[in-house]
Amino acid sequence: QSALTQPRSVSGSPGQSVTISCTGSSSDVGGYNYVSWYQQRPGKAPKLMIYDVTKRPSGVPDRFSGSKSGDTASLTISGLQADDEADYFCCSFAGSYSYVLFGGGTKLTVL
Amino acid sequence: QLQLQESGPGLVKPSETLSLICTVSGGSISSRNYYWGWIRQPPGKGLECIGSIYYSGSTYYTSSLKSRVTISVDTSKNQFSLKLSSVTAADTAVYYCARHVLPDDHTVPKHFDYWGQGTLVTVSS
Repeated sequence: QSALTQPRSVSGSPGQSVTISCTGSSSDVGGYNYVSWYQQRPGKAPKLMIYDVTKRPSGVPDRFSGSKSGDTASLTISGLQADDEADYFCCSFAGSYSYVLFGGGTKLTVL
Repeated sequence: QLQLQESGPGLVKPSETLSLICTVSGGSISSRNYYWGWIRQPPGKGLECIGSIYYSGSTYYTSSLKSRVTISVDTSKNQFSLKLSSVTAADTAVYYCARHVLPDDHTVPKHFDYWGQGTLVTVSS
């Protein structure tokens, strides 16, 4: 099974918005509403930011939002802050064979 | 506050079996609402889900590793474990354990909400 496809990097200035895409197929992203997004800082464990495509865990700022259209999910971060600089990974359930797929990760740089 | 902690050897020889334990504290591994999973990350690379286990012993494994992986659970110790056989240098990675949340209808696990800090396992002679 192939990993979900994410851009290698995105960047934005403080206060701006950025969107990270995550493209899969009808067998994973398009087939289930179980897309999640994780933030990972260097040397740290991933942190859940979005689940069930659009939901935010308690404590995650509402500047983070998720959406999905067809086989592509997206994470949008508005009002960029320096602290948002990290790697972001998408994830989707992919059926009983592939089970769970992650994206390759996107490095967000805040200029 | 739920906490997960990985433990096990940091160095494994090629062709041997990698064995890790995840100890769960601050919550019960026997909860009906969660699976318990293993995820790995090779240095400088992305995340790969290895598999997950329910307290009853029901498992999901990713297909690419299924022939080499065994995940088991010990509810009396609030622990679950990972065994990966016939390891090569390609299995060198940080290994994370995490809680895998079930939806209300208890069909398939969907996202990982709590993670351990991770442990680096190097495969080398």
